[in-house]
Amino acid sequence: EAGVAQSPRYKIIEKRQSVAFWCNPISGHATLYWYQQILGQGPKLLIQFQNNGVVDDSQLPKDRFSAERLKGVDSTLKIQPAKLEDSAVYLCASSLEGYEQYFGPGTRLTVT
Amino acid sequence: GEDVEQSLFLSVREGDSSVINCTYTDSSSTYLYWYKQEPGAGLQLLTYIFSNMDMKQDQRLTVLLNKKDKHLSLRIADTQTGDSAIYFCAVISGGYNKLIFGAGTRLAVHP
Repeated sequence: EAGVAQSPRYKIIEKRQSVAFWCNPISGHATLYWYQQILGQGPKLLIQFQNNGVVDDSQLPKDRFSAERLKGVDSTLKIQPAKLEDSAVYLCASSLEGYEQYFGPGTRLTVT
Repeated sequence: GEDVEQSLFLSVREGDSSVINCTYTDSSSTYLYWYKQEPGAGLQLLTYIFSNMDMKQDQRLTVLLNKKDKHLSLRIADTQTGDSAIYFCAVISGGYNKLIFGAGTRLAVHP
């Protein structure tokens, strides 16, 4: 069974630029999560989708971050404009029944 | 809000047992997890325990849960160099199964 796929693996941008990350969850997994992991910290949930709908985006900085999940499968997370403090690893995870979350390899973002 | 705390660093000799500890604040957490993260990689789900259990064993891994003290531990028997990684404790919180993570414990295994 293929795992969670993410791209790109690495991205370097200048502050105020925009960037987008892509995630393809494990086939059949209805729930998709985006986490932000700042260096030296544990992952923090940004947004959670159940199929196409958002169920929790309480920690998403909505003035600059947006996410969508079209057709209940792939998802994209966008940052516009980026700030220095957005430098982090962005992890995508998916789950079938909610209590086992499987993570992708992450996208390491550096904002200069 | 919910909080999960772990010690930041543990160093063990190859072949010894490792014990990584975690405390949490949300007494309603139904599932509690241990994830492993190697350099440059995502998080690997190692094991988890349901809140009505005290112990779960899976090969070299033993999870102990003390609900009264809100304390979770992970014991790795016969620790190998390949076990060197960061180990994250996480608990389910809220109605939508949000995971709350600790800051991670870096395990260093030396010969």
